[in-house]
Amino acid sequence: QQQVKQSPQSLIVQKGGISIINCAYENTAFDYFPWYQQFPGKGPALLIAIRPDVSEKKEGRFTISFNKSAKQFSLHIMDSQPGDSATYFCAASKGGNNRKLIWGLGTSLAVNP
Amino acid sequence: NAGVTQTPKFRILKIGQSMTLQCTQDMNHNYMYWYRQDPGMGLKLIYYSVGAGITDKGEVPNGYNVSRSTTEDFPLRLELAAPSQTSVYFCASRDSRTNEQFFGPGTRLTVL
Repeated sequence: QQQVKQSPQSLIVQKGGISIINCAYENTAFDYFPWYQQFPGKGPALLIAIRPDVSEKKEGRFTISFNKSAKQFSLHIMDSQPGDSATYFCAASKGGNNRKLIWGLGTSLAVNP
Repeated sequence: NAGVTQTPKFRILKIGQSMTLQCTQDMNHNYMYWYRQDPGMGLKLIYYSVGAGITDKGEVPNGYNVSRSTTEDFPLRLELAAPSQTSVYFCASRDSRTNEQFFGPGTRLTVL
């Protein structure tokens, strides 16, 4: 059972365009929603994260939008650059001793120059 | 800080062989995790540890074992390797203050 559903599976955007990746979750106990970025041959790295008490968080060109009632959150990459070409994973976790992350299946983003 | 380091980077095993994937972190994190990543399948949790001496199973523990004798080290043991264990393995540690997980560079394992 996939508790965090991510779409699209792949995305092609022109340089300067906006990249949008969506995630939906089922468990209302989740209280931490990070996005990780992974370049080929590397481990994932935290890009940006949000908690459900805010509807939006912005860091540079990257923005998370969060809709608690719809149980959805999305990553927006403004002014997309070829260097943003990577795989992006959304995830969710809830409080507890281990805080295991439940991962989406990933979105492969290609930004054409 | 070196962060999370993993060895080896690549390994080819024959069916039935065993090996240990090494993971070390220098950030004094209590929480550590082992994941496997298969194309299009995201990251699946194999085992995790909440501190030295304490480990627990994740989603896909069969065929693997772990130990955590120190805060720094969290080795993953593969016994009787099978082709289904061909994957990329990532170790991670978590900062309990920020919840950020820090990943190592991965080990690419092929079982033939």
